[in-house]
Amino acid sequence: NAGVTQTPKFRVLKTGQSMTLLCAQDMNHEYMYWYRQDPGMGLRLIHYSVGEGTTAKGEVPDGYNVSRLKKQNFLLGLESAAPSQTSVYFCASSFAGVKVEQFFGPGTRLTVL
Amino acid sequence: AQTVTQSQPEMSVQEAETVTLSCTYDTSENNYYLFWYKQPPSRQMILVIRQEAYKQQNATENRFSVNFQKAAKSFSLKISDSQLGDTAMYFCAFMTYNNFNKFYFGSGTKLNVKP
Repeated sequence: NAGVTQTPKFRVLKTGQSMTLLCAQDMNHEYMYWYRQDPGMGLRLIHYSVGEGTTAKGEVPDGYNVSRLKKQNFLLGLESAAPSQTSVYFCASSFAGVKVEQFFGPGTRLTVL
Repeated sequence: AQTVTQSQPEMSVQEAETVTLSCTYDTSENNYYLFWYKQPPSRQMILVIRQEAYKQQNATENRFSVNFQKAAKSFSLKISDSQLGDTAMYFCAFMTYNNFNKFYFGSGTKLNVKP
């Protein structure tokens, strides 16, 4: 099993450009999450999904959109990138119910110039 | 609102010695889980240990153990016989039941293990 994978691993954007980060998991998890990690601030939840076709806002959703068209994939979109979105982005997934551990992808380092 | 506080931005320990990382949290919920995750320079988030709030017994995983004080809302991580491979960022995280397994993370503690 590959676990949770993220594409791409690194990306540099110019202000105003758009991009999509792809997260894929092969563990048949119901729940998926997108976090951003900034120095001194830990991980903060951007959006999450509790099932195919559903999404919900987390702590810091502004400037991002998400979609979950297939159970195994969770996409994070930046429509018009801003320097404040320079960060490391992590995807995670978990089972619903009592098996509560979140499994994390390797992260994507995004720089917006 | 759930908050998690790690008051030690950085700590150092000599190889083979013991170190304790602190974490406090604030919640009005009664049922929740607490976690410690390790993030080495590779950036991969690795689960170290978890504690269910309804269990009074402190969790242990080999050299890692916790001191869970529910009334004080404190959840510290003790690493015994520290190894060079323990050098990493350590994040404390909190999750309530029935909230789609959403995590709330502390700001992290950078642990340096010195030879």
